[in-house]
Amino acid sequence: NFMLTQPHSVSESPGKTVTISCTGDSGNIVLNYVQWYQQRPGSAPTTVIYEDNKRPSGVPDRFSGSSDSSSNSASLTISGLKAEDEADYYCQSYDASTVFFGGGTKLTVL
Amino acid sequence: QITLKESGPTLVKPTQTLTLTCTFSGFSLTTNGVGVGWIRQPPGKALEWLALIYWDDEKKYSPSLRNRLTITKDTSKNQVVLTMTNMDPVDTATYYCAHRRRNEYFDYWGQGTQVSVSS
Repeated sequence: NFMLTQPHSVSESPGKTVTISCTGDSGNIVLNYVQWYQQRPGSAPTTVIYEDNKRPSGVPDRFSGSSDSSSNSASLTISGLKAEDEADYYCQSYDASTVFFGGGTKLTVL
Repeated sequence: QITLKESGPTLVKPTQTLTLTCTFSGFSLTTNGVGVGWIRQPPGKALEWLALIYWDDEKKYSPSLRNRLTITKDTSKNQVVLTMTNMDPVDTATYYCAHRRRNEYFDYWGQGTQVSVSS
């Protein structure tokens, strides 16, 4: 099965910038879009980035996404970190027959 | 406004079959491109995609659970039903249904329903 690998955890100080990576273990995930979901404890996931780099209405422009075919990966960047950004973040993509999620990254805002 | 809500038993015994219903509003599963997916999350663990049904009745399943899952839709009731056979304690999780907009982008999620598997 295709897998998406994320760092287990990242931490950074308020006001700083953090980038979370999402790497496909085979094939080329850039051929298909990547979504990023934020999940706070006890809540359902919500989208912060869809189709690689689009932000849903209401998501601040501190959140941005990108994909890189050369490294077979996608990234979520959060700038101007705020305490409220502390959450788990999941990347998600798909192929012709399945949908898959990354293992999630716990973001701690120090 | 799109909303989804999961319903079903909170406790099932090992080997039993789990039936979950996703009742939605604000969209129709007859609209071209629309789908409803099921995703679960064991306590303290990552999200895991289970199944997806599309407006045209195409269905996709997680390869690792394919032989245990069935997803169906009832467009007249605005419901999607997921059944999972031969439940095991490792299937204990919060089960979510979600609206698929396009490119397997789940833009609206239900609140989730907790299912425990125990004798």
